[in-house]
Amino acid sequence: DTAVSQTPKYLVTQMGNDKSIKCEQNLGHDTMYWYKQDSKKFLKIMFSYNNKELIINETVPNRFSPKSPDKAHLNLHINSLELGDSAVYFCASSLGQHSYEQYFGPGTRLTVT
Amino acid sequence: QKEVEQNSGPLSVPEGAIASLNCTYSDRGSQSFFWYRQYSGKSPELIMFIYSNGDKEDGRFTAQLNKASQYVSLLIRDSQPSDSATYLCAVVQGGSEKLVFGKGTKLTVNP
Repeated sequence: DTAVSQTPKYLVTQMGNDKSIKCEQNLGHDTMYWYKQDSKKFLKIMFSYNNKELIINETVPNRFSPKSPDKAHLNLHINSLELGDSAVYFCASSLGQHSYEQYFGPGTRLTVT
Repeated sequence: QKEVEQNSGPLSVPEGAIASLNCTYSDRGSQSFFWYRQYSGKSPELIMFIYSNGDKEDGRFTAQLNKASQYVSLLIRDSQPSDSATYLCAVVQGGSEKLVFGKGTKLTVNP
């Protein structure tokens, strides 16, 4: 199926741990994004990559580090997890950096205890 | 941070009625406007986009844009229970590549 996929779907971990979330899209898009949706359902952009190049880097703690090995993949590594990192993290993609019709993955629900 | 404001609701309408969802934005430089639907526990799904002033219709959905008033709306005609979801308004900030989302309006369509 053509889609944006994320793994894992759920992630429960303790404070201080390091974890990664992976995203892949087979839509042939050039641009990928990470969003965070908090408990109040507010969806906010964190990072964006266009063809492996970082183009948006919001005010996010440097414990969060994205990596794009190729334009179909965008991973998110989080160091020293904190309680406030608990949220749903969505990956999305669009045709290009000037095409704002974005298609979202299913999300990763991260719970930090 | 430029703002995108939506009434959080919940907005409740009877089946078959017109649901009207509203959104205002603060950045006058914004040119592109989107509506996403998000079912509970699911990811946002793009349902409409509009770039020019006026109305844009797609099936039961109509997006309306008034740049002078900095106002975007979404009308859902003949509302169905399956339309019950949170509707997110999103605006591309002028001069940036960022899509800024409102907090969403929760719509409930009662059978």
